Amino acid sequence: DQQVKQNSPSLSVQEGRISILNCDYTNSMFDYFLWYKKYPAEGPTFLISISSIKDKNEDGRFTVFLNKSAKHLSLHIVPSQPGDSAVYFCAAATIQTGANNLFFGTGTRLTVIP
Amino acid sequence: EPEVTQTPSHQVTQMGQEVILRCVPISNHLYFYWYRQILGQKVEFLVSFYNNEISEKSEIFDDQFSVERPDGSNFTLKIRSTKLEDSAMYFCASYPSGRAWYEQYFGPGTRLTVT
Repeated sequence: DQQVKQNSPSLSVQEGRISILNCDYTNSMFDYFLWYKKYPAEGPTFLISISSIKDKNEDGRFTVFLNKSAKHLSLHIVPSQPGDSAVYFCAAATIQTGANNLFFGTGTRLTVIP
Repeated sequence: EPEVTQTPSHQVTQMGQEVILRCVPISNHLYFYWYRQILGQKVEFLVSFYNNEISEKSEIFDDQFSVERPDGSNFTLKIRSTKLEDSAMYFCASYPSGRAWYEQYFGPGTRLTVT
């Protein structure tokens, strides 16, 4: 049951340009969405989140956009830096029921080219 | 900065054997989790643990799995009789009181290979 999908397994972007990572979900009951970043040999790190009552959340160079009607969210990184090269996981949850209902996508590997 | 640590980094075991994966969460954290990621697939929740008992568990966490906090610092995941399909990366995570449950600190993972 692929409730959260990241259809692009990889993305390459030039340093300084915008990186856009996409994520689609199927369950309309999800009310919280998260992005995690993972470097090789490390565990995932929480990056940014958005509640379903918002359509945008910004934290520095990272902005997450949520389009509930399309069941789509995206992570924008601008400007992209070589240190942003990592695997990015999208996740969605039904917040009141917690981690048992935290669904991850399969990840997108971002490579930022210097 | 404090980190979640996991040992071993890679464990190879034969089918049917018991394995214990170890995690040392950050010292003031109260909530603990195990996740797994089969190669090429998504990260999946296994179990959460708080106040010395399981809070939630997924369908994956069947009778072959158990968790324990034996000494107040270590947090272990035991698989009693491993199967080939248990081969995966296993992540431990924790977070402190006062943070949202999804703002977890993950360990680097243990790669379990069952042959």
